[in-house]
Amino acid sequence: GQSLEQPSEVTAVEGAIVQINCTYQTSGFYGLSWYQQHDGGAPTFLSYNALDGLEETGRFSSFLSRSDSYGYLLLQELQMKDSASYFCAGFSGNTGKLIFGQGTTLQVKP
Amino acid sequence: NAGVTQTPKFRVLKTGQSMTLLCAQDMNHEYMYWYRQDPGMGLRLIHYSVGEGTTAKGEVPDGYNVSRLKKQNFLLGLESAAPSQTSVYFCASSPSGAGSEAFFGQGTRLTVV
Repeated sequence: GQSLEQPSEVTAVEGAIVQINCTYQTSGFYGLSWYQQHDGGAPTFLSYNALDGLEETGRFSSFLSRSDSYGYLLLQELQMKDSASYFCAGFSGNTGKLIFGQGTTLQVKP
Repeated sequence: NAGVTQTPKFRVLKTGQSMTLLCAQDMNHEYMYWYRQDPGMGLRLIHYSVGEGTTAKGEVPDGYNVSRLKKQNFLLGLESAAPSQTSVYFCASSPSGAGSEAFFGQGTRLTVV
């Protein structure tokens, strides 16, 4: 089957750095994506890693290690507005499925 | 540019009633997905489509049917609603699947009583 595992909750203080991990099992894996969702609104795309290594987009970075079936999202200089749920997602090239992890709720405290 | 539009936004059904949720996208995307989101369960894939006229089952397809007669529309049907189908339903579309950004609709909040 296909599955992605991530921690359910993470808490950090404003200005700090936080890492959200994701381990996966996806047949025909094509890469790992990350999405942000505020208060049950529409999820929005943050980043995508097709190859091993680090991708940086402003305060957010995402990492992928295919050999370890592992990735993470790194958020730097945390702001209160970063309080949200974060989802990793894996695309299967064999089937066309886009499968999400259960999500990590990030709470940023002053 | 409207993006992905879901209709309706809210609905209350009685057990046993049927309904259809409509997802429309104006970006000419090939891939479309239906998810349900329950507290603590993340986004679970119900059905999906990789192109006009094609549909496939996702992780939790039981009790739902779908159709993709036109490329821009993806319909999700509940033939006989059950309280277990109370959830928030999200539709998403993407150009080509792998690596491409999936765009989500605003969701449909469905309550089955």
